[in-house]
Amino acid sequence: QVQLVESGGGVVQPGGSLRLSCAASGFTFSSYSFHWVRQAPGKGLEWVTVISYDGGKQYYADSVQGRFTISRDNSKNTLYLRMNSLRAEDTALYYCARDSADPDTYYFDYWGQGTLVTVSS
Amino acid sequence: QSALTQPRSVSGSPGQSVTLSCTGSSLDVGGYKYVCWYQQHPGKAPKLILYDVTKRPSGVPDRFSGSKSGNTASLTISGLQAEDEADYFCCSYAGSFTWVFGGGTQLTVL
Repeated sequence: QVQLVESGGGVVQPGGSLRLSCAASGFTFSSYSFHWVRQAPGKGLEWVTVISYDGGKQYYADSVQGRFTISRDNSKNTLYLRMNSLRAEDTALYYCARDSADPDTYYFDYWGQGTLVTVSS
Repeated sequence: QSALTQPRSVSGSPGQSVTLSCTGSSLDVGGYKYVCWYQQHPGKAPKLILYDVTKRPSGVPDRFSGSKSGNTASLTISGLQAEDEADYFCCSYAGSFTWVFGGGTQLTVL
């Protein structure tokens, strides 16, 4: 079955960096685009970034553009999120989510359990 | 990339129907047929319940239905059950490979 397992979260000081990982299994990883979506404590969901199936294209929310970098290693079935210049408002549970395989639509069909990032001094 | 607007909370009794709204703009909800809805129980990952406004993934009961009018999408849950108590988030494609979510609605089954 589809499994997405995030890791790498933790406590980091403002201005610091962190790299999140999302290990995928149960399907052909290299056939899908992937997203990172975050949820601040007690708040709604916020789309962060997406990467194409081959890693050739990435798109970002304005709130993280220039600070976050999404990447993937299809040989390791793993998705990454490099986060630099972290701010208090980046504190959230970060989910990786698989994009639908249907090219005629846009939604996220499977999600991991999330990894918590806390930005605090 | 402004968040979609959802009511903070909605409630209903078992067996009743409830409708959750999700309001955006012509740049997202009103401009595309790609509205989706997720159910999230406490401490759990979001679960897809509707996509493309009205389509249900395999395994989602037909008690869940969706619609859209202009810039507002709606999720209707009929025959409310205790296990439907959860947070519900809408989302929409917003063009140029960006997406936007709503703030979520907490559904209470009385």
